[in-house]
This record gives sequence, C-alpha cells and structure tokens, in this order.
Amino acid sequence: EAGVAQSPRYKIIEKRQSVAFWCNPISGHATLYWYQQILGQGPKLLIQFQNNGVVDDSQLPKDRFSAERLKGVDSTLKIQPAKLEDSAVYLCASSFDRANTQYFGPGTRLTVL
Amino acid sequence: DQQVKQNSPSLSVQEGRISILNCDYTNSMFDYFLWYKKYPAEGPTFLISISSIKDKNEDGRFTVFLNKSAKHLSLHIVPSQPGDSAVYFCAASAILENNDMRFGAGTRLTVKP
Repeated sequence: EAGVAQSPRYKIIEKRQSVAFWCNPISGHATLYWYQQILGQGPKLLIQFQNNGVVDDSQLPKDRFSAERLKGVDSTLKIQPAKLEDSAVYLCASSFDRANTQYFGPGTRLTVL
Repeated sequence: DQQVKQNSPSLSVQEGRISILNCDYTNSMFDYFLWYKKYPAEGPTFLISISSIKDKNEDGRFTVFLNKSAKHLSLHIVPSQPGDSAVYFCAASAILENNDMRFGAGTRLTVKP
C-alpha cells in the first residue's frame, strides 16, 4: 500500500514570496491533515479535512495560509506571503476516518530567507 | 498550549537495555494515545497506540503503559537496538470529539552499540 505522498521535499524562498505544497493521501482515506513542525517542537495541526470539507482550521493563520481539497483526495497548502517564522517542516497525514490512526508523509521542509 | 509534554529532550541507553520514554498530558478528555517514531528527513511513523480503556498495550519489543489517574504514559523498548535511535513523539487525541492530535515536543533516543 502506497503511503502519503508530498511534494516538494524541500523549498527555499524569500520572505513575502508565495509557496504551495501538495499532498496525496493514502487511497481510501477520507480524513486529511496538515501539520506544521517547527524545529525542536512537535507537529501542530493547521487544518483537518473530512473528504472535501474543512472540519477544523482553528489553528490556521488565515491571513496568509490557505488550504483546499477540492475533490476530496489531493490537497494543497499555500502560504502567501511567507514570513521568516514560517520556516518549518509541513507534514501531511491521512486516516481512514476521523477516529483512526493518522499516517504521515515525509514532509516538506520550508526555509524562508 | 502544552497539553502533551515530554520533559526529557534526549535519552541515551546501551544496546540490549531497556529504554523508557515518558509523556504527561493535562487534558482529561484525551482517550487515545499514540507513539510515533521519526527518523531524520522522514515523516513520523506510527509505532503503537493505546485506548483509555486499557492500561497496557504490547507489540513485540514495544510496550505502552497508561496511568490515567496520573495522566501519564510511557513507552518501554526492550531490548533496545541501535536502529531504535530516533526521535519519539507522544500524541494524544479525543476520539469522540474531533480527533485533533496534540503532540509532545519529542525525545531523541540514542541507543549505543
């Protein structure tokens, strides 16, 4: 069974630029999550989708971050404009449904200069 | 909000000995607890979980213990192997609510040959 796929693996941008990350969850998983992991900290949930609907985006900085999962499968997370403090690893995870174990992708390491 | 805490940032043990990683939580609504292992440049990998109706769950060399009254869980690895060297994250969620997982900051385990 293929795992959660993410791209790109690494991205370096300058502050005030825009960036987008892509995630393809495990086939059949209805729930998709985006996490931000700052160095030295545990992952922090940004947004949770159930199929193509948002379940929880309470910790998403909506002035600069946006995410969508239009067809209930793939998802994109966008930052516009980026700030220095957005430097982190962005992890995507998926689960069969909201009550099941989450499985993580390899992450995208973002560096904002 | 530090609802899940791993107070030891690092742990070093000798190969063949027991590794004990600890985790404390504050939210009494948490009813599902997980341990994830993370190697460099990879996403967290699910290791073992425990529901709040149990106090112990075992999977090969890995055992998780839950003490609900103390709001404390621990992961025991016996015997420890050099390949176990990684960062271990404790996570907790309230399954019957929205299953938002809260992570600890992680403990870096080094198993010396």
